[in-house]
Amino acid sequence: AQTVTQSQPEMSVQEAETVTLSCTYDTSESDYYLFWYKQPPSRQMILVIRQEAYKQQNATENRFSVNFQKAAKSFSLKISDSQLGDAAMYFCAEVGTQGGSEKLVFGKGTKLTVNP
Amino acid sequence: DTGVSQNPRHKITKRGQNVTFRCDPISEHNRLYWYRQTLGQGPEFLTYFQNEAQLEKSRLLSDRFSAERPKGSFSTLEIQRTEQGDSAMYLCASSSVPQGGLRAFFGQGTRLTVV
Repeated sequence: AQTVTQSQPEMSVQEAETVTLSCTYDTSESDYYLFWYKQPPSRQMILVIRQEAYKQQNATENRFSVNFQKAAKSFSLKISDSQLGDAAMYFCAEVGTQGGSEKLVFGKGTKLTVNP
Repeated sequence: DTGVSQNPRHKITKRGQNVTFRCDPISEHNRLYWYRQTLGQGPEFLTYFQNEAQLEKSRLLSDRFSAERPKGSFSTLEIQRTEQGDSAMYLCASSSVPQGGLRAFFGQGTRLTVV
């Protein structure tokens, strides 16, 4: 079974500062991918960043980067130079590749507030 | 606009009524997923299609739920005899397998309220 846990229901950050959102996961699959999705209010969920589990190098996308600790099953998201538009729900998700469905398993989310 | 489109955006229905939602995926995507998101929770998988074939259904999908994807294009999700517990956001996502790199694109969702 796959589970994803986000232990921070809410986080806040000052504009231009850095914030880190936590995520831990558990999976029985040997090959899997991890994702962070952003869900702004009343808008669709969009992919922020993706990490292949077989890659040791942490993924980065502009101001977004991850700290992937495979042995600890930890996958945190760091947002640098936070902007007002970063305010949203952030979901950590995992996909195993062995079952064939590639369905996403999500955490409960972290609500990020960005203060001006 | 070539994104995933869902209609209607909002639906209010009385308990016991039937409702149907529609999802139009990105045109070249062969995979289509339905998820359900309740308040304070992350989305939960319901079912998915590879082209027109429905390949997996979650235990969350009771007998009152049915999904179709005729001709492998748009999909519909029908809920019969709605219950208050069905109130949720229903999300559709599409992806391209195997070329898509496991990137799923989501629609804005249909928010269902059962009164």
